[in-house]
Amino acid sequence: AQSVTQLGSHVSVSEGALVLLRCNYSSSVPPYLFWYVQYPNQGLQLLLKYTSAATLVKGINGFEAEFKKSETSFHLTKPSAHMSDAAEYFCAVSEMRRTSYGKLTFGQGTILTVHP
Amino acid sequence: DAMVIQNPRYQVTQFGKPVTLSCSQTLNHNVMYWYQQKSSQAPKLLFHYYDKDFNNEADTPDNFQSRRPNTSFCFLDIRSPGLGDAAMYLCATSRDRGHQNTEAFFGQGTRLTVV
Repeated sequence: AQSVTQLGSHVSVSEGALVLLRCNYSSSVPPYLFWYVQYPNQGLQLLLKYTSAATLVKGINGFEAEFKKSETSFHLTKPSAHMSDAAEYFCAVSEMRRTSYGKLTFGQGTILTVHP
Repeated sequence: DAMVIQNPRYQVTQFGKPVTLSCSQTLNHNVMYWYQQKSSQAPKLLFHYYDKDFNNEADTPDNFQSRRPNTSFCFLDIRSPGLGDAAMYLCATSRDRGHQNTEAFFGQGTRLTVV
């Protein structure tokens, strides 16, 4: 069984400040890990993914995440927040095996607010 | 350029009246998924098709059914919508090629309102 915990349902930062969104996972098998972003009344857009290659993963819009197996974490960071980053962010896990890429278990989401 | 297309974007249906949501894809992916996302909650997988093979999640209510007539299209049928079925419904696709898999690509979603 898999699960994802996102610490903090709401995160507020100032424009230009560091963004840190926390994600911890639980999985009985090696995981694939993803971060998705969702704007109001929109679908999910993939930011980045970890699929057992490099543990530091770079994604779109300046985001990156580091897979830490010892901490079962996959936190999302961005050095400098932009107003357009305001959205809801979901961390998700799937099992590292066939047919599982899209079969995702999501965290509860973190709403990021960016203040001018 | 739209790759996973959901129609309509907004659907209003009456309590108990059957409703169908549609999803089409131009990616030629062999796996299609339906997720339900209630307000302020995470998306939850309802079922998926691997080619023509239907896979239901254990806790998906019987009220929800799906059809996949061909690779490109997949439908979500709600036989008797209740007020608790109001949600955003997200369609997603992925390609499974054995050792090569893609991540899930999501459509824009259909927001269902039940009145």
